[in-house]
Amino acid sequence: DAGITQSPRHKVTETGTPVTLRCHQTENHRYMYWYRQDPGHGLRLIHYSYGVKDTDKGEVSDGYSVSRSKTEDFLLTLESATSSQTSVYFCAISSNILDSPLHFGNGTRLTVT
Amino acid sequence: KQEVTQIPAALSVPEGENLVLNCSFTDSAIYNLQWFRQDPGKGLTSLLLIQSSQREQTSGRLNASLDKSSGRSTLYIAASQPGDSATYLCAVDGGSQGNLIFGKGTKLSVKP
Repeated sequence: DAGITQSPRHKVTETGTPVTLRCHQTENHRYMYWYRQDPGHGLRLIHYSYGVKDTDKGEVSDGYSVSRSKTEDFLLTLESATSSQTSVYFCAISSNILDSPLHFGNGTRLTVT
Repeated sequence: KQEVTQIPAALSVPEGENLVLNCSFTDSAIYNLQWFRQDPGKGLTSLLLIQSSQREQTSGRLNASLDKSSGRSTLYIAASQPGDSATYLCAVDGGSQGNLIFGKGTKLSVKP
């Protein structure tokens, strides 16, 4: 299995508080992604990174920010959590965009009350 | 905007049956198409990746085909087993940085 660790695995937080989710990889892959998975919507891309300090927005980026100061770490921050951000968050990595499969972490289940 | 559709949403078959899962996409300008498996409460596991220049890929009892011109892919599972029960998702790349657009998946149940 690809070496991807997401932390925390579960979190409950209150509306309006900031939350940071961490994705750590040991594969030295260039590309990293944050997805959220919701019933009825499937997996949707939040933000992605194509190198250290190189990030871009995905389909559902409003209310989220990311940072990548090292190859191995990709942080997702909910600036002020809302109930609509209750979801399962997945980090994924790949080494190239042509013929490298996407490898996923086990997810973080976030509940915003 | 790329859209990915998977039909059926759910499928129940008896053990031993051969089955086909379908995936369609609206924009044929893709780098690759990937098939994943997701078990309840888990992340996604990559099954097969088909590059845009390829027609099919095989891994064990799994065979995936790609027809870019018609915007379709199929995942063939031979001799299904209860351990194959999971949700199967297909995804195509949505742009130049490899970010994937996912279908909503087919939930497969293989009954002993």
